[in-house]
Amino acid sequence: NAGVTQTPKFRILKIGQSMTLQCAQDMNHNYMYWYRQDPGMGLKLIYYSVGAGITDKGEVPNGYNVSRSTTEDFPLRLELAAPSQTSVYFCASRERRHTDTQYFGPGTRLTVL
Amino acid sequence: AQKVTQAQTEISVVEKEDVTLDCVYETRDTTYYLFWYKQPPSGELVFLIRRNSFDEQNEISGRYSWNFQKSTSSFNFTITASQVVDSAVYFCALSLYNTDKLIFGTGTRLQVFP
Repeated sequence: NAGVTQTPKFRILKIGQSMTLQCAQDMNHNYMYWYRQDPGMGLKLIYYSVGAGITDKGEVPNGYNVSRSTTEDFPLRLELAAPSQTSVYFCASRERRHTDTQYFGPGTRLTVL
Repeated sequence: AQKVTQAQTEISVVEKEDVTLDCVYETRDTTYYLFWYKQPPSGELVFLIRRNSFDEQNEISGRYSWNFQKSTSSFNFTITASQVVDSAVYFCALSLYNTDKLIFGTGTRLQVFP
């Protein structure tokens, strides 16, 4: 099993550009999450999904969109990138809810200039 | 409101010293789960331990041990005989029974010097 994979690992965007961060898991987990980690800070939840076709906002959803058409994939879309979105983005998944551990991908480091 | 506080922003120790990382949580729920994650310089998040609110037994895994005390709402993490490879940012996190979210503390950066 590859676990949780994320692409790309690094990306530089110009202000106003758009991009999609990819996340995939091969553990057949129902729950998937997107977090951002700003320098020296903890993780903040952007969006999450409890199953295919179901998504919900987290703590900091503005400027992002998600979709969950399959159990395996949970892409994060940035529209009109802004410098405030410079961060490291982590995707995570878990099988069920609160009782289970979240497993994280390796992260995507995004810089918006 | 639910919250996780890691008051120690950064800790520096010399190899072989013992070090304790503090974690204090806030919740009114009676059923919840606590986690510790390690983030080494390479950046990935590595799961270390999960504890549920009904299990206050301390846990030891090699040089790592965890002390869970509901009376003080704390879930502290001790590394015995620290090593340079322990250098990382350590995050404490809280998950509630009736939500699907994980609430993270701001992390403690541990630097172990040779």
